[in-house]
Amino acid sequence: NAGVTQTPKFQVLKTGQSMTLQCAQDMNHNSMYWYRQDPGMGLRLIYYSASEGTTDKGEVPNGYNVSRLNKREFSLRLESAAPSQTSVYFCASSEAGRRLEQYFGPGTRLTVT
Amino acid sequence: DQQVKQNSPSLSVQEGRISILNCDYTNSMFDYFLWYKKYPAEGPTFLISISSIKDKNEDGRFTVFLNKSAKHLSLHIVPSQPGDSAVYFCAARGNNAGNNRKLIWGLGTSLAVNP
Repeated sequence: NAGVTQTPKFQVLKTGQSMTLQCAQDMNHNSMYWYRQDPGMGLRLIYYSASEGTTDKGEVPNGYNVSRLNKREFSLRLESAAPSQTSVYFCASSEAGRRLEQYFGPGTRLTVT
Repeated sequence: DQQVKQNSPSLSVQEGRISILNCDYTNSMFDYFLWYKKYPAEGPTFLISISSIKDKNEDGRFTVFLNKSAKHLSLHIVPSQPGDSAVYFCAARGNNAGNNRKLIWGLGTSLAVNP
């Protein structure tokens, strides 16, 4: 099992460009999440999907959109990138039921110039 | 306002000794707590968790203690090894309504275990 995979690993964008970060999990998990991590800010939830077909805003959703394409895949789109979106982005997934632990991908390091 | 606080940004410990990482929270409705470890350039990995109905959970060298009255939990690593050097995050379930699975995260403590 690959667990949670993310592409790309690194990306540099110019202000105003758009891009989609891809995430896939092979653990048959129901819930998926997108976080960003900035120095001194910990992990902040951008969007999450409790189950296939549903998405909800997290703590910092402005400037982002998401798509839960199917049970495996959850993508994050930046329509018009801004320097404030320079960050490391992590995708995570968790199973249904009592266990709440989330499993993370390796991250995408995004720089917006 | 941080609801999950890790007040020590860094901690240095000698190999073989005990590492104690602390976490405080403000919301008494939090009912499930988790610890994660993160190496540079990798995603966080789950270490150990504890439900609010317990006060201790142990897994090998890792033990988490929960003091609900003080709204405080701690992660003990015994004995500490150089491979334990990483950033440790404390997280809590935001509320126990319905099937809420969102976690609220602390800012992390960087642990250095010196040989």
